Amino acid sequence: SQQGEEDPQALSIQEGENATMNCSYKTSINNLQWYRQNSGRGLVHLILIRSNEREKHSGRLRVTLDTSKKSSSLLITASRAADTASYFCASSIQGAQKLVFGQGTRLTINP
Amino acid sequence: GAVVSQHPSWVICKSGTSVKIECRSLDFQATTMFWYRQFPKQSLMLMATSNEGSKATYEQGVEKDKFLINHASLTLSTLTVTSAHPEDSSFYICSAIGQAPKINQPQHFGDGTRLSIL
Repeated sequence: SQQGEEDPQALSIQEGENATMNCSYKTSINNLQWYRQNSGRGLVHLILIRSNEREKHSGRLRVTLDTSKKSSSLLITASRAADTASYFCASSIQGAQKLVFGQGTRLTINP
Repeated sequence: GAVVSQHPSWVICKSGTSVKIECRSLDFQATTMFWYRQFPKQSLMLMATSNEGSKATYEQGVEKDKFLINHASLTLSTLTVTSAHPEDSSFYICSAIGQAPKINQPQHFGDGTRLSIL
């Protein structure tokens, strides 16, 4: 399967703490994207990091990319209850339009 | 901007019925749309890629005659689940990307359709 891997599968932390999720992929990529999905809803795009970038920030989000290890991480700082959701990484495969999604991390922020 | 509307959000129907799901890009022209299937607490599995005006490209293992995809305009793609059976029950999600450049663009997702076949 081309599907990427994410860890942890589930993460439960206290509000205000930082949350880190990791993602690994298998093929050469154009970019690596992170999405959030609230229960029963569609996906919301969070951040896109290109293959020639190593780190990117957007508000409380920080994404890193290590193409030599085929891995990426998403850090959410100062977590809030509203951050409770599933988070998916998705690799944009070179030579193709499609995305290959990781298995996802279910994040729970406890108030 | 970049809003994708998916309709209906929930469908319950009898086995043997055909069900059509619509995916519309409301404020941009979507040259490419994607259809995904998601089982509970699992990731998204791509079913097919649909380019406006041409036949859809299906992923391995997805039955073309079962899941009919039409992308007749730059703002609308439809997925028809033909003769649906209980095993077709799932959460179906569409996404879209705009015109060139297609690389390094995020996909914009609809809110999904929960299909329940009795």
